[in-house]
Amino acid sequence: DAGVTQSPTHLIKTRGQQVTLRCSPISGHKSVSWYQQVLGQGPQFIFQYYEKEERGRGNFPDRFSARQFPNYSSELNVNALLLGDSALYLCASSRAGPEYFGPGTRLTVT
Amino acid sequence: AQKVTQAQTEISVVEKEDVTLDCVYETRDTTYYLFWYKQPPSGELVFLIRRNSFDEQNEISGRYSWNFQKSTSSFNFTITASQVVDSAVYFCALSEMGLNQGGKLIFGQGTELSVKP
Repeated sequence: DAGVTQSPTHLIKTRGQQVTLRCSPISGHKSVSWYQQVLGQGPQFIFQYYEKEERGRGNFPDRFSARQFPNYSSELNVNALLLGDSALYLCASSRAGPEYFGPGTRLTVT
Repeated sequence: AQKVTQAQTEISVVEKEDVTLDCVYETRDTTYYLFWYKQPPSGELVFLIRRNSFDEQNEISGRYSWNFQKSTSSFNFTITASQVVDSAVYFCALSEMGLNQGGKLIFGQGTELSVKP
């Protein structure tokens, strides 16, 4: 089975722009979570979606939003980008078990 | 509040040495899960182990072993006979139990392990 996939791999945006990151979970996994990992730190929880409903939200501003589609794939949107949003964005999926992570999207805001 | 502390920022060993990565956690929950993940230079987090708070038995998987002690709120990870391929950043993480949908992991800051030939 394919693992968690994310697109794009890398992205460069300018301050003030908006960005959409995409994630496809492992087949059969209904839970998708998003994490932000700033260089040199551990991942920080942003959102969790299960069966298309938001089940958890971390301490991130309203500029961050997400949604889950009927096929359980997910999008993370970030509006009004700031330099501090530069990070590796990780998506993870699970099915009543541990979270399995994708390769991440490296976002650079200039 | 939940918190995970990995006091060792960087560890450097020579191949074949044993190395222990420390993890201390804080939680008010009586039921929870603990995890270890490996992050090689490629960036993808690789799942290594999940333990629940009811099970304090130590676990061994090949060269890897884990020591869970609730009395000291620790979940330490030992690599025996380290190899160059073990070089990576290792993260300890915590989550509530009962979240059968997964998610909401609280990560430590990570320990960067460098194994030199």
